[in-house]
Amino acid sequence: ETGVTQSPTHLIKTRGQQVTLRCSSQSGHNTVSWYQQALGQGPQFIFQYYREEENGRGNFPPRFSGLQFPNYSSELNVNALELDDSALYLCASSLPTGGGAFNEQFFGPGTRLTVL
Amino acid sequence: GEDVEQSLFLSVREGDSSVINCTYTDSSSTYLYWYKQEPGAGLQLLTYIFSNMDMKQDQRLTVLLNKKDKHLSLRIADTQTGDSAIYFCAESIRGGGNKLTFGTGTQLKVEL
Repeated sequence: ETGVTQSPTHLIKTRGQQVTLRCSSQSGHNTVSWYQQALGQGPQFIFQYYREEENGRGNFPPRFSGLQFPNYSSELNVNALELDDSALYLCASSLPTGGGAFNEQFFGPGTRLTVL
Repeated sequence: GEDVEQSLFLSVREGDSSVINCTYTDSSSTYLYWYKQEPGAGLQLLTYIFSNMDMKQDQRLTVLLNKKDKHLSLRIADTQTGDSAIYFCAESIRGGGNKLTFGTGTQLKVEL
């Protein structure tokens, strides 16, 4: 069984540029969540995709957008990059929750984005 | 609202027990989690507890939940150098889907 993979591992961009980060979910998982982890902080929820539709969003501006593809892989796009966007971006895949049952999220290793 | 807090740093000697504490504010938590993050790695789920439980034990790990005080703790027995990492508590809430709200993390340092 293949785990969650993310690409690229590291990325350096300049202010105002746009970036696309990619995530392949674990086999059989149709839900992908994205988190931003700034240095020294806990991860913060950006948004979640289920069956190619956004299914919940955290407190992030519209320049953070995403996509999920029919194979359940996902992209995170950030436009007009700001210095504060420098962070580790984590994606996690899972089966959808239902009826309050426990449902583990499996995290990828993350993409380290540096904005100069 | 959702807010999860942890102390920033804990240092213990190898072989001792470690206790990492966490407080949360949302009373509609369904599950509470402990994750481990090692340098350069993603998050690894260590254990979790359903919100109507008081305690859960899993090998060297013991989770205690005081729902009245909204306090969660993780005890690691016989702490080893390989346990050195950052530990995050997190909660998911009723109706929140799979969204996790994380604490700021506690860095555990295990000394010989």
